[in-house]
Amino acid sequence: TQLLEQSPQFLSIQEGENLTVYCNSSSVFSSLQWYRQEPGEGPVLLVTVVTGGEVKKLKRLTFQFGDARKDSSLHITAAQPGDTGLYLCAGGRDAGNMLTFGGGTRLMVKP
Amino acid sequence: GAVVSQHPSRVICKSGTSVKIECRSLDFQATTMFWYRQFPKQSLMLMATSNEGSKATYEQGVEKDKFLINHASLTLSTLTVTSAHPEDSSFYICSATTQGLKDYNEQFFGPGTRLTVL
Repeated sequence: TQLLEQSPQFLSIQEGENLTVYCNSSSVFSSLQWYRQEPGEGPVLLVTVVTGGEVKKLKRLTFQFGDARKDSSLHITAAQPGDTGLYLCAGGRDAGNMLTFGGGTRLMVKP
Repeated sequence: GAVVSQHPSRVICKSGTSVKIECRSLDFQATTMFWYRQFPKQSLMLMATSNEGSKATYEQGVEKDKFLINHASLTLSTLTVTSAHPEDSSFYICSATTQGLKDYNEQFFGPGTRLTVL
């Protein structure tokens, strides 16, 4: 059982469309990271959110941490083919440095 | 900053041989390193947590005698897949973290190693 549920698992959209990826849990996390991974490479950190209700923007990407710090979302505006990849959310707890990873969302943006 | 390297990036070996994968933190001292395994189109599965100078902590279901981890210094951890078999073929990724710089759990990942066992 995944402690962090990501949805959707797969998403195929046209260039220019908007999309939202969700990361949900029944557990509280002290921090929440979003990573993007391309085939044959390691995950690259996009953002870390630590405060309930926090919103961070990274160009066309908007990340939000739920008020209760149990969930998070990633919204991409005007998606581009370069956004294609596997998006992973990962939650951290106070004890130790371990992260709990979600199942991932595989995004494909068609030109 | 916070660059992690892995070597080799790809390895092909015969069944029964052992393979060593290195993970290095290039510009910071990693108090903790993690080893993950990733199957095609799936998320990361944590195999073990490695702290410098101490024995690794393995996740349930991961054979410690099969996957030997050594974290001899603050910048290097190694994963040795012993007597590799075709079912060990996978993408192995390491990550590193350091205490003190930030309050939250942030990991920096290596580029991964593709292991193919024939």
